[in-house]
This record gives sequence, C-alpha cells and structure tokens, in this order.
Amino acid sequence: DAKTTQPPSMDCAEGRAANLPCNHSTISGNEYVYWYRQIHSQGPQYIIHGLKNNETNEMASLIITEDRKSSTLILPHATLRDTAVYYCIVRVDRGAGSYQLTFGKGTKLSVIP
Amino acid sequence: EAQVTQNPRYLITVTGKKLTVTCSQNMNHEYMSWYRQDPGLGLRQIYYSMNVEVTDKGDVPEGYKVSRKEKRNFPLILESPSPNQTSLYFCASSFGQGAKSEAFFGQGTRLTVV
Repeated sequence: DAKTTQPPSMDCAEGRAANLPCNHSTISGNEYVYWYRQIHSQGPQYIIHGLKNNETNEMASLIITEDRKSSTLILPHATLRDTAVYYCIVRVDRGAGSYQLTFGKGTKLSVIP
Repeated sequence: EAQVTQNPRYLITVTGKKLTVTCSQNMNHEYMSWYRQDPGLGLRQIYYSMNVEVTDKGDVPEGYKVSRKEKRNFPLILESPSPNQTSLYFCASSFGQGAKSEAFFGQGTRLTVV
C-alpha cells in the first residue's frame, strides 16, 4: 500500500494561506490522493481528492506534482476554525466496490490569530 | 441533510457485557465501514461492507462482529468487550469505489470498557 509522509505539525497565521505538504512516492498510477481533516475528536471530514490534475473546491485546492510523488493542500485564507489534524491518504481500491483509506498521523495545523 | 448517525455517543460498560453500536446513513451508500482511533495509532479499519449481506475484515477485526441486513444500517457488535477495546469508534459510508466516493464519517462513539 502506498504510504504517505506528512510533517507532524504546522502553524499558519489567520487570513494567510496554509500549505500542507504530503509525500507519496510509492503511489500507483490509478490511486487517488484524498485529504481529510479531523477537528478535535470529531469524525473526519472530507476536503478534496485528485488523481493527476490539480483540483479546487469551495474548501481548498490540491496541487499534485507531475510525477504524482507529492502533493500540497492549500487552504487559501485560513481561519481559526481550520485548526485541525489534516490527513493525506492514498486510497487503495481492493476491487469489487471496496477500497481502503489508511490514515497516518497527519499534520496538526494550528491557525494563530 | 446527508449524515451518518452513530449511537450512542458515549458508553461505559463492563468487561464481557455484550454491546452494539449502531450506525445509520441516509445517502443510499453501498459502502460502509468501521474504524477505531487510538492515541498514536491513528484510525484503523475494523470491518467494512460493500453492500447488503457483504462484509469483510479490515485491519483489526478481532473481538468485533458486524452485520449488514439493510443498506442504511451497519451495526458494530462487541460480543464480549475487553478493556483493550476502549477506544473512539467511527462509522463511515460512501458510494463504492470510483472517483466520487468521498467518505462521510459519523460523529464518533467513545467507548470505555472497565
């Protein structure tokens, strides 16, 4: 299974862009990169996902390098409510409609006033 | 509102007393799964279900059972709970594999076994 590597923690000033990096050098060609976040001990919340192209939605942007070995999640204007643990996950499809999300330790993002 | 509902949110029980944690989703999702979260270990998958009457083991299935008799419900059963099953549990659901299969998670069940 493709593993991901993320920094354990990051700080970001409120109102600034938060750029969260992730390495996934063993990713396979058909595996998606997903990002989730977990605020305190709530259920993880989906943010965004992508395969090859950069993606943007109302929450964030996802930049995937051309070789797909790393990606960056961008929160364009971080707020205090974005303080959370952010998980970068390579989704492994097991076939027959099932898949696996392997959560690592993530990056604890602290947004500072 | 699209949601995954777990009950109870908090539970304290004694060793060996059977319990069930319920999970229900209202999004007509085929795929459902259970995770446990422990400090330093992250979220680990216990069991998953690809559809009604189709279930399979995840990474840490020992001591747990599941059933999927209806599409919307996926209860987690602990036949004889032990203290090492004290954990934070999450249920998740999504459509099956595919580009749009983002997983929705419940709010969690904090279980303490004494």
